[in-house]
Amino acid sequence: AQSVTQLGSHVSVSEGALVLLRCNYSSSVPPYLFWYVQYPNQGLQLLLKYTSAATLVKGINGFEAEFKKSETSFHLTKPSAHMRDAAEYFCAVRNNAGNMLTFGGGTRLMVKP
Amino acid sequence: EAGVAQSPRYKIIEKRQSVAFWCNPISGHATLYWYQQILGQGPKLLIQFQNNGVVDDSQLPKDRFSAERLKGVDSTLKIQPAKLEDSAVYLCASSSNILAGGETQYFGPGTRLLVL
Repeated sequence: AQSVTQLGSHVSVSEGALVLLRCNYSSSVPPYLFWYVQYPNQGLQLLLKYTSAATLVKGINGFEAEFKKSETSFHLTKPSAHMRDAAEYFCAVRNNAGNMLTFGGGTRLMVKP
Repeated sequence: EAGVAQSPRYKIIEKRQSVAFWCNPISGHATLYWYQQILGQGPKLLIQFQNNGVVDDSQLPKDRFSAERLKGVDSTLKIQPAKLEDSAVYLCASSSNILAGGETQYFGPGTRLLVL
């Protein structure tokens, strides 16, 4: 069975600072991995996904993530945080058989002016 | 392209009452998912449909939850009777043909349920 662990339920950075949100997964098969963002009172929006092609994946809003098989990680980064990046971020792994997603517990990103 | 639509956006009921949520997926998307997101947690899949058939409902509490997608388009999720612990956001998502690279799930805005 697949599982996802997001280290740090809350992360606070200053505007302009590096953003690093951690995600570790376990999967018995080569995984498909996703990062979603959720703004208050809204649904989830896809940031980026890894589907076994390039290990460095670029997404929307300047975010990127690197798949590291040896570390079973898929950490999300952004070089310079902006106030509008404040939201909750979810990492998810896909069950290849049926496209079912297993989500991590989420990380709330706060950006200080 | 219109996104996934859900209604109502908010619902408050008393325990033991029943409630229903509606979802209209993105046009042409064969696969539809219902997730439950409890406050402070990640979404948890309740049920997955492929057209009008159930693919996975292993995490659906079938003694009180039911879902249908009779014509393979819209879907309804029902809770009867509701319990306090059902208070959550219910998210609907859809995806296109999985075999053709349609692994991305697109989410609706959710229905926020409060059971008193």
